[in-house]
Amino acid sequence: QQQVKQSPQSLIVQKGGISIINCAYENTAFDYFPWYQQFPGKGPALLIAIRPDVSEKKEGRFTISFNKSAKQFSLHIMDSQPGDSATYFCAATPGGSTLGRLYFGRGTQLTVWP
Amino acid sequence: ETGVTQTPRHLVMGMTNKKSLKCEQHLGHNAMYWYKQSAKKPLELMFVYNFKEQTENNSVPSRFSPECPNSSHLFLHLHTLQPEDSALYLCASSQGGAPTLHFGNGTRLTVT
Repeated sequence: QQQVKQSPQSLIVQKGGISIINCAYENTAFDYFPWYQQFPGKGPALLIAIRPDVSEKKEGRFTISFNKSAKQFSLHIMDSQPGDSATYFCAATPGGSTLGRLYFGRGTQLTVWP
Repeated sequence: ETGVTQTPRHLVMGMTNKKSLKCEQHLGHNAMYWYKQSAKKPLELMFVYNFKEQTENNSVPSRFSPECPNSSHLFLHLHTLQPEDSALYLCASSQGGAPTLHFGNGTRLTVT
């Protein structure tokens, strides 16, 4: 059973546009929701993360929107750039000492056209 | 060097070979992980080590054998693999129970 469902699988956006990737979860014990960014030939790297006590977190052009009641969260990339082309993974983990036990979505391959 | 370093970057092996993947972290973390990344699938957690002790084996076949001699080094010994084991194998580390993982760049494994 997939713990975190991510969509879309792939996304093509024009330079300057907004990229939106959505994730949903069922386990109400999850209390930390990171997004990882992976470039070809590289490992995933933490991009931005949120806890459910806030509904939005913004870092530069990247924003996480969190809807606790719907058990959904999304990544918005404003003013998308060709350098943002990468695979994005949402993840979730339960509270407490979980030794990094992250449940990942399947990933979204983002392509930003110049 | 900084971060998490994995070697080799690419590995091609036959089904009867024995090989090992190596991971080294320079972050002072005490937990290390092996993940498997296959196309269009979620990252699959394989093994977790905390202070050199294995704390999780996620139902991984015995043809994969991990070894963690100290908190900075992690190995994945491979033998009698199957073609479906071809994937990107990622090592990661974290500081104790902190939820942030630091990944290496992976070893691209091809089993022929």
